[in-house]
Amino acid sequence: GAVVSQHPSRVICKSGTSVKIECRSLDFQATTMFWYRQFPKQSLMLMATSNEGSKATYEQGVEKDKFLINHASLTLSTLTVTSAHPEDSSFYICSAPRNGGTGELFFGEGSRLTVL
Amino acid sequence: QKEVEQDPGPLSVPEGAIVSLNCTYSNSAFQYFMWYRQYSRKGPELLMYTYSSGNKEDGRFTAQVDKSSKYISLFIRDSQPSDSATYLCAMRIYNQGGKLIFGQGTELSVKP
Repeated sequence: GAVVSQHPSRVICKSGTSVKIECRSLDFQATTMFWYRQFPKQSLMLMATSNEGSKATYEQGVEKDKFLINHASLTLSTLTVTSAHPEDSSFYICSAPRNGGTGELFFGEGSRLTVL
Repeated sequence: QKEVEQDPGPLSVPEGAIVSLNCTYSNSAFQYFMWYRQYSRKGPELLMYTYSSGNKEDGRFTAQVDKSSKYISLFIRDSQPSDSATYLCAMRIYNQGGKLIFGQGTELSVKP
């Protein structure tokens, strides 16, 4: 069964609104979680690393003020897309390593965001 | 040049065929290699996770790593229609736990 749960799976919002996506590790604790983005027919690109108890670290070119990440507990990370625009429409996927930083990386089911 | 190159396909094979999927990479610092399967509109599912050069087998799947050539492969034996999906290779450096570098993904279709 799934070891990483993501919610919601699909969300449609109006331009200018904010959307929150949750990522949970189900049977293990994850001090670190990762957020990826995937455009149609393209591969996954790492956006940011979510760190429990400290600030997230963002990849080059990712706007930290637009993509707010909060690692509220050892099993929950959230990604908030603020003031969403149509170009933010994408597939957002979170992941977590089950056995610490060097362990296998498991992905959530993904959240498809459509901004109208 | 991309760090990881993967033929995007699409690749179409008859049921029962042996499928070979490949990736090449340029960064010799990559030490962990993975293959993921992704169905449409779903998150990637981990299939194989390898560290060293050589082969690793799991059921109908065999992962092969050749670090000297910077080349990895995934073989699927006795392919089934349910294997139809996009297959992504991914790799990372030792101390960069979540920073996977993905290939573009190969779209596979297994025809009954």
